[in-house]
Amino acid sequence: DVKVTQSSRYLVKRTGEKVFLECVQDMDHENMFWYRQDPGLGLRLIYFSYDVKMKEKGDIPEGYSVSREKKERFSLILESASTNQTSMYLCASSLHRGSSYNEQFFGPGTRLTVL
Amino acid sequence: AQSVTQPDIHITVSEGASLELRCNYSYGATPYLFWYVQSPGQGLQLLLKYFSGDTLVQGIKGFEAEFKRSQSSFNLRKPSVHWSDAAEYFCAVLYSGAGSYQLTFGKGTKLSVIP
Repeated sequence: DVKVTQSSRYLVKRTGEKVFLECVQDMDHENMFWYRQDPGLGLRLIYFSYDVKMKEKGDIPEGYSVSREKKERFSLILESASTNQTSMYLCASSLHRGSSYNEQFFGPGTRLTVL
Repeated sequence: AQSVTQPDIHITVSEGASLELRCNYSYGATPYLFWYVQSPGQGLQLLLKYFSGDTLVQGIKGFEAEFKRSQSSFNLRKPSVHWSDAAEYFCAVLYSGAGSYQLTFGKGTKLSVIP
């Protein structure tokens, strides 16, 4: 089974702190994604990556950056956390960039609270 | 632009009753469609998917969904709901963008089950 793990289930940070959210997948997937989930808004794509050192902006990249130095690891970075970034963050991965059979596998999520 | 609409924010059913969750999509090309389920505090789990072929697809946990191109719909059904089905359900459409494939999610339908 594909396994996507996220470094923390719950995280509390203060405004202005730099925050790192880590995601690791163990099935050699090419694509990795970061979403945020808010009540009534569903899942919104922040960034995605289809290869090492490659990244693409999603629908709401402002205030975030990402890093993918190794194929299995995709990090989401909040350079200066703000209260409006309090949310549930979900990481996902999928197999091939060029394949249409690209179901995504999700991690358990990190619930981030910024005070 | 692609979009997914789940008209029902919250549905309550009695245990043992039948269930139908609605999903409508807007996408110019042949859609690849998914239903995911999210239990409280968890990540998303794939219930079923439609790529082509038979328009009635079977998934896990006794769920099925029917693709109706004429109605741009992909409704999720279950003949008899169990208390453990209480969760949030997300419909998603896969589309091609930036040379890779991305999911657009609906805003979700929360299912409550009365014992």
